[in-house]
Amino acid sequence: KQEVTQIPAALSVPEGENLVLNCSFTDSAIYNLQWFRQDPGKGLTSLLLIQSSQREQTSGRLNASLDKSSGRSTLYIAASQPGDSATYLCAVINAGNMLTFGGGTRLMVKP
Amino acid sequence: KAGVTQTPRYLIKTRGQQVTLSCSPISGHRSVSWYQQTPGQGLQFLFEYFSETQRNKGNFPGRFSGRQFSNSRSEMNVSTLELGDSALYLCASLYGTGGGDTQYFGPGTRLTVL
Repeated sequence: KQEVTQIPAALSVPEGENLVLNCSFTDSAIYNLQWFRQDPGKGLTSLLLIQSSQREQTSGRLNASLDKSSGRSTLYIAASQPGDSATYLCAVINAGNMLTFGGGTRLMVKP
Repeated sequence: KAGVTQTPRYLIKTRGQQVTLSCSPISGHRSVSWYQQTPGQGLQFLFEYFSETQRNKGNFPGRFSGRQFSNSRSEMNVSTLELGDSALYLCASLYGTGGGDTQYFGPGTRLTVL
């Protein structure tokens, strides 16, 4: 059974810092890994999708890497802003379209 | 393109009642999945429908059921509601199968069971 872990569970940083969020998974036979953002009480917004054959994906200030063999992914956020404050979730797909989610990292960026 | 829509956005029910939630996927998307989000358990997969057929099912009791219509819209039903069913219910849509596509989520339906 796939298990996904995100560390840290919460993070508070001053505006402008570069930061790294971590995601690990136990079963490396994944099809892809997806990073999401969730604002309080809202749905999930897709940030980046990394296919199993890829090593990284970039979108603006976000960069996500994937190391399937070690079961790890990182989300790098450059020059953080208060608007980046949210919960960040990673999820993997092993079969079909079923996502297995980590518990999330709650990020607070202070002005 | 319009995003994934879910109705209603908020629901309050009492124990023992049943409830039906609706999800309209992005136009052209054929797969709809449902997830339950609670503070204690996080996000958990309920089931997935593709072309009106249930393809995968999570580890939830039979009180949770769903269906998909020919226009890809999906409904999920929870019968005999329990307090523990209070949660944010999210649906996700994507175009194909095989796990290669981005999944897009709706805003969710917040269900409160009293």
